[in-house]
Amino acid sequence: GQQLNQSPQSMFIQEGEDVSMNCTSSSIFNTWLWYKQDPGEGPVLLIALYKAGELTSNGRLTAQFGITRKDSFLNISASIPSDVGIYFCAGRRETSGSRLTFGEGTQLTVNP
Amino acid sequence: DTGVSQDPRHKITKRGQNVTFRCDPISEHNRLYWYRQTLGQGPEFLTYFQNEAQLEKSRLLSDRFSAERPKGSFSTLEIQRTEQGDSAMYLCASSLGTGRYGYTFGSGTRLTVV
Repeated sequence: GQQLNQSPQSMFIQEGEDVSMNCTSSSIFNTWLWYKQDPGEGPVLLIALYKAGELTSNGRLTAQFGITRKDSFLNISASIPSDVGIYFCAGRRETSGSRLTFGEGTQLTVNP
Repeated sequence: DTGVSQDPRHKITKRGQNVTFRCDPISEHNRLYWYRQTLGQGPEFLTYFQNEAQLEKSRLLSDRFSAERPKGSFSTLEIQRTEQGDSAMYLCASSLGTGRYGYTFGSGTRLTVV
């Protein structure tokens, strides 16, 4: 089963607002990834993080690799309607090879 | 299109039937992964291949499931004697090397067992 706790489960915001979501684990991860999934499609990689404390941006998206290596955060600034979708965190542990563990997702709805 | 292709996109089958899904990875990617995603959940790892070798299988992959990648290119995932609990989206992904920079996922095959 899932080992990553992702919150919130869903968010309803107005266009232009900023969004924050996070992912926590009881295990240490050496890579954190954030994906976005649209209905009926596979997840698309947004941001990848490789070092504790790392802060990486991709346009209006910013993600951070937590210092403890057990958490990660994703922020979206100035949301727009096309940001609608499900956002997943995923982590990889040193002992798990190529296997990714995913969170349960955050469903984002943006009202115009 | 040089992305990951999955076929079919949708499959409806009766309980007890066998089904097979195909995945064509990005051509230069040597690793191929299968994940399963049920409604409201994140993807869960099933298995992965490096070239033609199946290197890891999850406990989720029961004896009714088998995956192959015979020539190190496309892969097939077969489910025998399907059960209603097998209804899910089956996602294929590929990566170059260990996937350190993330995988590229296909659009998935949505399986419905009735």
